[in-house]
Amino acid sequence: DTEVTQTPKHLVMGMTNKKSLKCEQHMGHRAMYWYKQKAKKPPELMFVYSYEKLSINESVPSRFSPECPNSSLLNLHLHALQPEDSALYLCASSAETGGNQPQHFGDGTRLSIL
Amino acid sequence: DAKTTQPPSMDCAEGRAANLPCNHSTISGNEYVYWYRQIHSQGPQYIIHGLKNNETNEMASLIITEDRKSSTLILPHATLRDTAVYYCIVRLSRTTSGTYKYIFGTGTRLKVLA
Repeated sequence: DTEVTQTPKHLVMGMTNKKSLKCEQHMGHRAMYWYKQKAKKPPELMFVYSYEKLSINESVPSRFSPECPNSSLLNLHLHALQPEDSALYLCASSAETGGNQPQHFGDGTRLSIL
Repeated sequence: DAKTTQPPSMDCAEGRAANLPCNHSTISGNEYVYWYRQIHSQGPQYIIHGLKNNETNEMASLIITEDRKSSTLILPHATLRDTAVYYCIVRLSRTTSGTYKYIFGTGTRLKVLA
């Protein structure tokens, strides 16, 4: 069982839809991450939040919009996605972005764009 | 850019030790090495990490060479449940935003054989 909970587990959406992915952790972690993983590839970092502020944006297209409403929640808002955006979206958290504490990952949302 | 090199696949007999190598020849002094594994349809699971010294926990041992240019993850008694993709990750030193980030390698697909 993972301590980082992601919902929904699966999502199918059209290119004109707006949807959101949700991530929640109750470990008191102050850093949260979004990754994108294509089939048979390693995860690629998208965004990092530190103390609820956006710390890293890895040049992600604006059709992906992250939001961190509080220290336990991380959302990823999706709008006008393309078929190539179909992937597994992983959320992770760590105690903070410094130090050497490991990141804890959720099991991801599998997104399919029609 | 990937900072780690791993063999794409390995087999190991059940009950034997699995030794997974990783090269990180460009690692710098403050960069930690982390190991994660990913079982199909799940998020990456933290295994172990280290800086210079060898490390051991209930899951595995991590052997880092003295020059720190390579490391080996050892699963002492592999079971069928250890079949997964194993990622060796160098955590980049603090970025200009003050945030650390992982760079995943391409991973080793370990198959444990009955």
